[in-house]
Amino acid sequence: EIVLTQSPGTLSLSPGERATLSCRASQSVSSSYLAWYQHKPGQAPRLLIYGASNRATGIPDRFSGSGSGTDFTLTISRLEPEDFAVYYCQQYGSSPRTFGQGTKVEIK
Amino acid sequence: EVQLVQSGAEVKKPGESLKISCKGSGYTFTSYWINWVRQMPGKGLEWMGIIYPGDSDTRYSPSFQGQVTISADKSINTAYLQWSSLKASDTAIYYCVRHRDSGKIYNPFDLWGQGTMVTVSS
Repeated sequence: EIVLTQSPGTLSLSPGERATLSCRASQSVSSSYLAWYQHKPGQAPRLLIYGASNRATGIPDRFSGSGSGTDFTLTISRLEPEDFAVYYCQQYGSSPRTFGQGTKVEIK
Repeated sequence: EVQLVQSGAEVKKPGESLKISCKGSGYTFTSYWINWVRQMPGKGLEWMGIIYPGDSDTRYSPSFQGQVTISADKSINTAYLQWSSLKASDTAIYYCVRHRDSGKIYNPFDLWGQGTMVTVSS
C-alpha cells in the first residue's frame, strides 16, 4: 500500500497569498497517477488536479500541480476567500487507492 | 444533468443491517467505475472499494474486505454499499464517486455523490 504524507497539516494564510502544499509518497506513484481534491464542510470533495499537473474541468488557473515519482506539490498562486478548505492528495495508480491525511488551509 | 444521488441519512443500532444507495443519471451508468469512500467524524478520506456496473466486477480495499459488500443493479442505474452487522465505528459519511473517464479502472474521482451520513448508536 502506498502511504501518502501531506505537509503541513495546517497552513494559515491571508487572501492574496500563495499556498504551497506538499504530498510525499512512500513509493513511486505509477504514471504520475496523483490527484488533488478540495473539500469544504458540508460539501462533497471536488477534483482539482489529476495526472499530477492537469487541471480538472472548470478549475481556475490559480491552481497548479507539479511533481513526479514520490514528491508532489499543489500551488494556489493567490488565495481567494473560497479557497480556504481542506486539500487531499490521492494516488489512483495502484490498489488500494490511498489518500493523504489532508492539509487545512485556513484564514490567518 | 450528470449526477450521482445518494440515499438519505440513516440512524441505526449496533448489530443492525443497512444498505445505502447511489443512483447515477445523465450518463451511461454501465461504462464508468464507481467507488465508495468513507469519512469518519473529523477524519480524512478512505477508499473502500470499487465496482464496474457493466459486469459487477468488484474490488475491495484490504481494510474493508469482509466488512462491507458493494453491489450494483444496472437495470436501475444504482450502486449499493451494505453492512450485515453495523458497529458504532461505522459512523461516518459515505460517498459514492465516479471515475473521470469511462472504462478505466485507474482514474481520478471526478463525479461525487452528496454523501450519506450513517450514525450507529445504541
